Amino acid sequence: AQSVTQPDIHITVSEGASLELRCNYSYGATPYLFWYVQSPGQGLQLLLKYFSGDTLVQGIKGFEAEFKRSQSSFNLRKPSVHWSDAAEYFCAVGDMTTDSWGKFQFGAGTQVVVTP
Amino acid sequence: NAGVMQNPRHLVRRRGQEARLRCSPMKGHSHVYWYRQLPEEGLKFMVYLQKENIIDESGMPKERFSAEFPKEGPSILRIQQVVRGDSAAYFCASSDYSNQPQHFGDGTRLSIL
Repeated sequence: AQSVTQPDIHITVSEGASLELRCNYSYGATPYLFWYVQSPGQGLQLLLKYFSGDTLVQGIKGFEAEFKRSQSSFNLRKPSVHWSDAAEYFCAVGDMTTDSWGKFQFGAGTQVVVTP
Repeated sequence: NAGVMQNPRHLVRRRGQEARLRCSPMKGHSHVYWYRQLPEEGLKFMVYLQKENIIDESGMPKERFSAEFPKEGPSILRIQQVVRGDSAAYFCASSDYSNQPQHFGDGTRLSIL
């Protein structure tokens, strides 16, 4: 069964600094990978996705992520964070081998705090 | 161009009562997914439905929980005889095909007194 690990529960970063959020997955084949962001009291917003092709994917709000098969990772990056980036970030993997494609596996999330 | 609509946003129930959570998917979406988020945890898959069909309910507790997505109207997640442990945020997501990204609603926060 697939699983997703986000090793960092909480990250504090200064405004303007770079940000990298780690995501490791366990899956037998090439997974569909996603990053979502959740602001307090809100639902999840899709930042970016990886299905196939170019391993560096660009998303909204200046985020990008790189799929590294050899490391089973899909880390999220942003060169310069803004105060509005403070939120919780979730990595998710979708199973492309079954009909039950909706069975996303989510990581536990990384809370990002942005300081002035 | 409304997104996924969930109501109510907050729901308070006493132990033993029933909770009904509604989800209207995005226009044109026929795939609906329900997730539960406990405090300090990620989202846990509960059930995947298409119109009038349950595709995968492997994440649903065996008792007290049920879900439907009728031909007309919203999807309903129903919890009977609620207990304190049911307190959580319940999120609904929808997609137009099963292999497309899911769009999430703002969730229903369920509190059990």
